[in-house]
Amino acid sequence: DVKVTQSSRYLVKRTGEKVFLECVQDMDHENMFWYRQDPGLGLRLIYFSYDVKMKEKGDIPEGYSVSREKKERFSLILESASTNQTSMYLCASSSGEGDNQPQHFGDGTRLSIL
Amino acid sequence: GQNIDQPTEMTATEGAIVQINCTYQTSGFNGLFWYQQHAGEAPTFLSYNVLDGLEEKGRFSSFLSRSKGYSYLLLKELQMKDSASYLCAVIDSNYQLIWGAGTKLIIKP
Repeated sequence: DVKVTQSSRYLVKRTGEKVFLECVQDMDHENMFWYRQDPGLGLRLIYFSYDVKMKEKGDIPEGYSVSREKKERFSLILESASTNQTSMYLCASSSGEGDNQPQHFGDGTRLSIL
Repeated sequence: GQNIDQPTEMTATEGAIVQINCTYQTSGFNGLFWYQQHAGEAPTFLSYNVLDGLEEKGRFSSFLSRSKGYSYLLLKELQMKDSASYLCAVIDSNYQLIWGAGTKLIIKP
């Protein structure tokens, strides 16, 4: 089974802090994604990556950046955390073989910015 | 714009059948996913449809009509553990995944 591991289930940070969310997958997947999930809204894509050192902006990249130095690891960075970034963050990965591969998700990080 | 509509919440009885609908208006179509998400947990893949018709997988079935921009997830012999949110997601013409807000399904004994 695919295993996507996010470094923290719960995280509390202060406004203005730089925050790192880590995600590791063990299935040698090419594609990795970062989403945020808020009540009443669908999953919203922040950034994604189809290869090492490659990144693409999703629908809501403002205030975030990402890093993919190794194939298995995809990091999300909040440059200067703000209260409106309080959310559930979900990392996902999928195989690059074909365009219809399902995404496999980590358990999520519930981030609170005070 | 791109849009996916699902009912916000549904209630059903243990042992019964429930149908969760999903309608979509997207720029192109390259497939549709259904995911299950229990509260506080990760979404997990349930089904994938790209051709019209019904795909059956145990107690769960998923139907697609491309001409109508419509899909449904059918859950039979409902169990308490089926209480969860069900997410519909469409692959658009750019192969981007567009997500619905999800349907929260409440199962009552």
